[in-house]
Amino acid sequence: SQKIEQNSEALNIQEGKTATLTCNYTNYSPAYLQWYRQDPGRGPVFLLLIRENEKEKRKERLKVTFDTTLKQSLFHITASQPADSATYLCALADNYQLIWGAGTKLIIKP
Amino acid sequence: DVKVTQSSRYLVKRTGEKVFLECVQDMDHENMFWYRQDPGLGLRLIYFSYDVKMKEKGDIPEGYSVSREKKERFSLILESASTNQTSMYLCASSPTDEQYFGPGTRLTVT
Repeated sequence: SQKIEQNSEALNIQEGKTATLTCNYTNYSPAYLQWYRQDPGRGPVFLLLIRENEKEKRKERLKVTFDTTLKQSLFHITASQPADSATYLCALADNYQLIWGAGTKLIIKP
Repeated sequence: DVKVTQSSRYLVKRTGEKVFLECVQDMDHENMFWYRQDPGLGLRLIYFSYDVKMKEKGDIPEGYSVSREKKERFSLILESASTNQTSMYLCASSPTDEQYFGPGTRLTVT
């Protein structure tokens, strides 16, 4: 069956360190993958999109990698701050729709 | 900035009532979506629309209908609300790939 998986356990990271979140998928061949941030009680906010022919994408302190062989995307936040605490969702493209992971809650401790 | 607004942040309805959730976007986007989000699950697509008066079923359309009479407005209708439709409802609009979300409506059906 088709599946997209993110670590369901919260990730606790010390302020200033790099946080790395994982998104794994099976039985898809997405043309692109996206990452979103969601704060409690709010809608997701788009962060980054990476296409299948791109290995890496950066935006300020954010970096996304996409390995179509491993069927995995990694999302990195460098020099993490308490304000980065949120749930991060990955979504992959499947026939003009997005298929969503359940998200990983990231907690940055001061 | 893209703005997507939803008619209510919180809504409480009784079983069997007809419920209208409205979504308005101000960026002239062609594409609009309705999702529901439940704890531990990814966003699930209910319906989407690529143009005025056009609609397509998503993964979980049963018990829902939609209306798009104007480009900026996409309405979700629960014909006869049931307790299993208690959820967070999220509307999104999209110019191409990335999606822009409203704040969400938390609907409780009692």
